[in-house]
Amino acid sequence: QKEVEQNSGPLSVPEGAIASLNCTYSDRVSQSFFWYRQYSGKSPELIMSIYSNGDKEDGRFTAQLNKASQYVSLLIRDSQPSDSATYLCAVNGNRDDKIIFGKGTRLHILP
Amino acid sequence: NAGVTQTPKFRILKIGQSMTLQCAQDMNHNYMYWYRQDPGMGLKLIYYSVGAGITDKGEVPNGYNVSRSTTEDFPLRLELAAPSQTSVYFCASSSGTAYPGELFFGEGSRLTVL
Repeated sequence: QKEVEQNSGPLSVPEGAIASLNCTYSDRVSQSFFWYRQYSGKSPELIMSIYSNGDKEDGRFTAQLNKASQYVSLLIRDSQPSDSATYLCAVNGNRDDKIIFGKGTRLHILP
Repeated sequence: NAGVTQTPKFRILKIGQSMTLQCAQDMNHNYMYWYRQDPGMGLKLIYYSVGAGITDKGEVPNGYNVSRSTTEDFPLRLELAAPSQTSVYFCASSSGTAYPGELFFGEGSRLTVL
């Protein structure tokens, strides 16, 4: 059974600071990793995907993947109040097509 | 394009009733997924499909059934509703093999079983 673990938070970060969100996964053969943002009462939306070790940057967002440690993270630079949301980590293995989500981390950006 | 459309948006069921949650996508995606989300929790995979005629169980399939007769539609059937099935249900789709986890979600269906 694949598992994806996240700290549920809430994580409070001052506006303008860097928010760091972490995720670990149990299935060593997992190949694809995703970060979704979910505002309260809304559906999740994809913000980052990462498929190989290292960093991937997109605007204020950076995803980091370390397959040896089974760890993926999301950094949000220059945090804005609009970044306040729940961030869901998702993982896809190569043995099947299941996309498994963690419980999410609630992020609160303090104005 | 409408993307992923779910109906109904809200529904109240009595214990033991049955119903079908509808999901349709117009992006010609092969992969479709059903998730449930309980309050304050992440998404749990119920069933998924990689193409018409192909379905497979996810993490929490008990009490549910699915079918995939067309590429566009992926209905979720609840048989003998129980209070434990009170949740928000999300349908999602993706283009498939190249980027299977890049999901597009519907707006969700909020189900209450009393």
